[in-house]
Amino acid sequence: DAGVIQSPRHEVTEMGQEVTLRCKPISGHNSLFWYRQTMMRGLELLIYFNNNVPIDDSGMPEDRFSAKMPNASFSTLKIQPSEPRDSAVYFCASSGHEQYFGPGTRLTVT
Amino acid sequence: GENVEQHPSTLSVQEGDSAVIKCTYSDSASNYFPWYKQELGKRPQLIIDIRSNVGEKKDQRIAVTLNKTAKHFSLHITETQPEDSAVYFCAAAYNNNDMRFGAGTRLTVKP
Repeated sequence: DAGVIQSPRHEVTEMGQEVTLRCKPISGHNSLFWYRQTMMRGLELLIYFNNNVPIDDSGMPEDRFSAKMPNASFSTLKIQPSEPRDSAVYFCASSGHEQYFGPGTRLTVT
Repeated sequence: GENVEQHPSTLSVQEGDSAVIKCTYSDSASNYFPWYKQELGKRPQLIIDIRSNVGEKKDQRIAVTLNKTAKHFSLHITETQPEDSAVYFCAAAYNNNDMRFGAGTRLTVKP
């Protein structure tokens, strides 16, 4: 298994632009998580899905953030419009009995 | 919701010494406690976990202990090596959902 796959690995965009991050979980895992990591705030849970259904999105910072999981093998995290303070590493993780992280997307908003 | 506190934030030890990182959690319903190691520029990687039905688990030089009554758990690394240098995160969750992480401990092992 290739593990959790995320794309792109790096994204540089200008303030106001839409950003879409993508994740493919490990096959057979029924839970998917989106995290944001910054030096100031550490590792924050944004949202998680069980069986493609969003369970808790209380960590999503603002309405500018949205996440979808249209099927068991794909999820997106969208930021529209993006702002410089959204700059961070965004991790996707999936779990069956244990949770495994993807390689992350380093987002820079200028 | 769950709140996880982790101490210390930084830890420096001499190669061969032991390192201990401690975490407390607030939600008594939490029953799953993993530990992750994150090297610079890499993803967090699961190194060991413990579930609430056991008090201790060991894997070679790494051990984790859990005290459910006191709501705290600890990571113990023995015979530390320079390659153990990284940031370590504890986490707590109910059935591996809604996982909350501690703020991390930066461990430096000096050769």
